[in-house]
Amino acid sequence: EDQVTQSPEALRLQEGESSSLNCSYTVSGLRGLFWYRQDPGKGPEFLFTLYSAGEEKEKERLKATLTKKESFLHITAPKPEDSATYLCAVQADTGGFKTIFGAGTRLFVKA
Amino acid sequence: ETGVTQSPTHLIKTRGQQVTLRCSSQSGHNTVSWYQQALGQGPQFIFQYYREEENGRGNFPPRFSGLQFPNYSSELNVNALELDDSALYLCASSLSGTGGYEQYFGPGTRLTVT
Repeated sequence: EDQVTQSPEALRLQEGESSSLNCSYTVSGLRGLFWYRQDPGKGPEFLFTLYSAGEEKEKERLKATLTKKESFLHITAPKPEDSATYLCAVQADTGGFKTIFGAGTRLFVKA
Repeated sequence: ETGVTQSPTHLIKTRGQQVTLRCSSQSGHNTVSWYQQALGQGPQFIFQYYREEENGRGNFPPRFSGLQFPNYSSELNVNALELDDSALYLCASSLSGTGGYEQYFGPGTRLTVT
């Protein structure tokens, strides 16, 4: 069965304390893996798209990487404004397109 | 460039009623997807419309149905509302329904079923 699992569920960091979020996935017909950021009461905001193992993307303090079974979102020297829920999603073509999201990692960065 | 918009923002309905939610795609996007997001959970894929045809569906019953119009705006209809249908409903648009394209989300419609 296609699924996406994110860990940890919640992560508390001090400002400047780097860490990584994990996204493990099982899907057939992978078309792309996506990372989104979601602030409370708002829709998800697109961050990155990854298509193949070994690919990396960077944006400010965030870096996303992809292997055949998982993706990591590395956060370097986080700031309080990075506090949000980070969602991982995969797009699959299984005779009809679908997108599967993980439950997210809630990140709290304390000043 | 206009982003994805949704209406209404909030809605309260009674169990057994029907509801219609609306979404306007981002300019230039021909694909719309709908998601249900319960509190503390990730979005659950309901279905996707590409060029006015449904081309993907998640594990939702037939009482969840949709439409996409020639201008690529979309509606989500839910019949026979149940208490568990209370959630944030998100619409997302993308450049193509053939997969691999990032989606841009609207702010959502908060539906409460009593």
